[in-house]
Amino acid sequence: GEDVEQSLFLSVREGDSSVINCTYTDSSSTYLYWYKQEPGAGLQLLTYIFSNMDMKQDQRLTVLLNKKDKHLSLRIADTQTGDSAIYFCAESRGDYKLSFGAGTTVTVRA
Amino acid sequence: DVKVTQSSRYLVKRTGEKVFLECVQDMDHENMFWYRQDPGLGLRLIYFSYDVKMKEKGDIPEGYSVSREKKERFSLILESASTNQTSMYLCASSVPHRAGELFFGEGSRLTVL
Repeated sequence: GEDVEQSLFLSVREGDSSVINCTYTDSSSTYLYWYKQEPGAGLQLLTYIFSNMDMKQDQRLTVLLNKKDKHLSLRIADTQTGDSAIYFCAESRGDYKLSFGAGTTVTVRA
Repeated sequence: DVKVTQSSRYLVKRTGEKVFLECVQDMDHENMFWYRQDPGLGLRLIYFSYDVKMKEKGDIPEGYSVSREKKERFSLILESASTNQTSMYLCASSVPHRAGELFFGEGSRLTVL
């Protein structure tokens, strides 16, 4: 994951918004992805954004993309205890491969 | 319910043993992948396959090999396990036109003593 960087930990109060940030390096990436990993489980795709978009909203999730700065963020509104998980940012590399960040562990406290 | 199934959730092996990790998907996906997940490093691609009997090296193929004899099954082989291969191994699959939309198995945690 050296090409994709994320902070490792985030603690947020229940009901607040969470913002998870990610920087990537490949300006030719077509798609950028957010995956979620709950304890003891594999990863599941949360959302993705096409590189010609600035923003994508999907219920409580908002993805913002700043192509100039190669910065991607995921905002979770009204964070719940079920949102406690590891969140991975990933960029597409070529036809088949993704490059993942190290993952941000989000802890939701009451 | 579509699934990617990894045969073993937990394995403990000794240094030098041959290890097989099996992965089966029921979605008729062309692409299959093996990643390893380590804390602070995220997911790193070991090998992938975009068709039966086809395989491509990922970023960290050393010490690993793969086999894809049938479309639904992708096996990861550690010819001679070493302690630095202790890790969580994740299998995933996808379709070619949506290659980044991966479906993951639950993972196989391998400990090499």
